[in-house]
Amino acid sequence: GAGVSQTPSNKVTEKGKYVELRCDPISGHTALYWYRQSLGQGPEFLIYFQGTGAADDSGLPNDRFFAVRPEGSVSTLKIQRTERGDSAVYLCASSEGTSGSPPVYTQYFGPGTRLTVL
Amino acid sequence: AQSVTQLGSHVSVSEGALVLLRCNYSSSVPPYLFWYVQYPNQGLQLLLKYTSAATLVKGINGFEAEFKKSETSFHLTKPSAHMSDAAEYFCAYSSASKIIFGSGTRLSIRP
Repeated sequence: GAGVSQTPSNKVTEKGKYVELRCDPISGHTALYWYRQSLGQGPEFLIYFQGTGAADDSGLPNDRFFAVRPEGSVSTLKIQRTERGDSAVYLCASSEGTSGSPPVYTQYFGPGTRLTVL
Repeated sequence: AQSVTQLGSHVSVSEGALVLLRCNYSSSVPPYLFWYVQYPNQGLQLLLKYTSAATLVKGINGFEAEFKKSETSFHLTKPSAHMSDAAEYFCAYSSASKIIFGSGTRLSIRP
């Protein structure tokens, strides 16, 4: 079946502009996660949704970052007033449920959106 | 602070040689550890995970890892490297539904 898809694959924008990054999770997956991967680093958690609600947004770096998942499927990560430091690959993942202890559900990752802020 | 530390940002081995990628975790990390692989221009893929069952975990593509509490280690190994194993490998742990990743080790395979 289809995996997690992300659009666009690449986005180049200018400092100060607004961008939206889209994630289509695997059909039926109730949990959706956003991570950010800077060059030479491992991915860093941003936010995750269980259904339509943000269950944990502790990784969002500041209030310029916002994410929604209005119908419990597709999610959009929104970045206002972009800065050069926002340049990174933004990864989305989905899972059948939220992982407890032990983590039962595997997170499946999309290919990412490479954001470049000039 | 909770963390995983990957020793060596770049490892190079010859084709057919043993692959050993090192990961140490801090003692406060929940005992749910993972290895992920990231091929160029592709998404992260789960290689294997440890969830407090057998300490030797077998994953895909011939990889395995051993959880050693006494050494706080979770090293990834493969007996014989293939050219197709060239990728970035991340050690990680699970904390309250999110995954916390190490900084990664790039594996290169020499012909």
